Amino acid sequence: LAKTTQPISMDSYEGQEVNITCSHNNIATNDYITWYQQFPSQGPRFIIQGYKTKVTNEVASLFIPADRKSSTLSLPRVSLSDTAVYYCIVDRGSTLGRLYFGRGTQLTVWP
Amino acid sequence: EAGVTQFPSHSVIEKGQTVTLRCDPISGHDNLYWYRRVMGKEIKFLLHFVKESKQDESGMPNNRFLAERTGGTYSTLKVQPAELEDSGVYFCASSQDPRGTGTNEKLFFGSGTQLSVL
Repeated sequence: LAKTTQPISMDSYEGQEVNITCSHNNIATNDYITWYQQFPSQGPRFIIQGYKTKVTNEVASLFIPADRKSSTLSLPRVSLSDTAVYYCIVDRGSTLGRLYFGRGTQLTVWP
Repeated sequence: EAGVTQFPSHSVIEKGQTVTLRCDPISGHDNLYWYRRVMGKEIKFLLHFVKESKQDESGMPNNRFLAERTGGTYSTLKVQPAELEDSGVYFCASSQDPRGTGTNEKLFFGSGTQLSVL
C-alpha cells in the first residue's frame, strides 16, 4: 500500500476555501485516491474518490496532477460543521476494503 | 436507507470478561469489515468478510478475538478474555462489490463501539 503524507492540522475561517494536499509518491498504476471525513464519535465517511485529473461532487473537489504523486482535496466555503479529521487514502482494488488511514488532517474551522 | 449500525455504542467491562460487539451492515452489502482505533493510534484494519466467509483476517491481533458473520448478514466480534490493551473504538463498515462499476470501493462505516476494559 502506498504511504500517504498530509498535514497534521489546518485552521480556517468560515466561508474560506480549504485545500488539503496529500503526497503519495509510491502510488501504483491501479491505485485510486480516496478521501474520508470523520467527525468526533462517528465513523469515517466517504467524501470523494478519483484516479486522475479532477473530480467534483456536491461536497468537494479532488485535483490530481498527471504524475499522480499528490492530490488536493478542496472544500469550498467551509462552515463550522466541516471541522473534522480528513484522511487521504491510496486504495488498491486488489486489497479490497483494507484501507490504511494514517493520522489524517485535523481541520478546524473558526467563526 | 438505513446505514451501518453497531451495538452497543459503549461497553465498559473488567479485564478477563467477555464482550460481544454486533454490526448490522447495509442491506445487500456482501462485504463487511471490522476496524479499530486504540488510544492514540490510527484506525487499523482487523478483518474482512465476503458474505459469510472470512476473506482476510490478517489484522486480527490475537486468538482472543473471534469474528463471525452468520448467514452473511450481521456480524459479531467477540473478545474473550478482554485485556486492558483492547480498549478503543471498534468500527464496522460494509460495501458493495465495485467490480464492473468503473470505480473503486466505497466503505460505509458505523459510528463504532467504544470499548473500555478496566
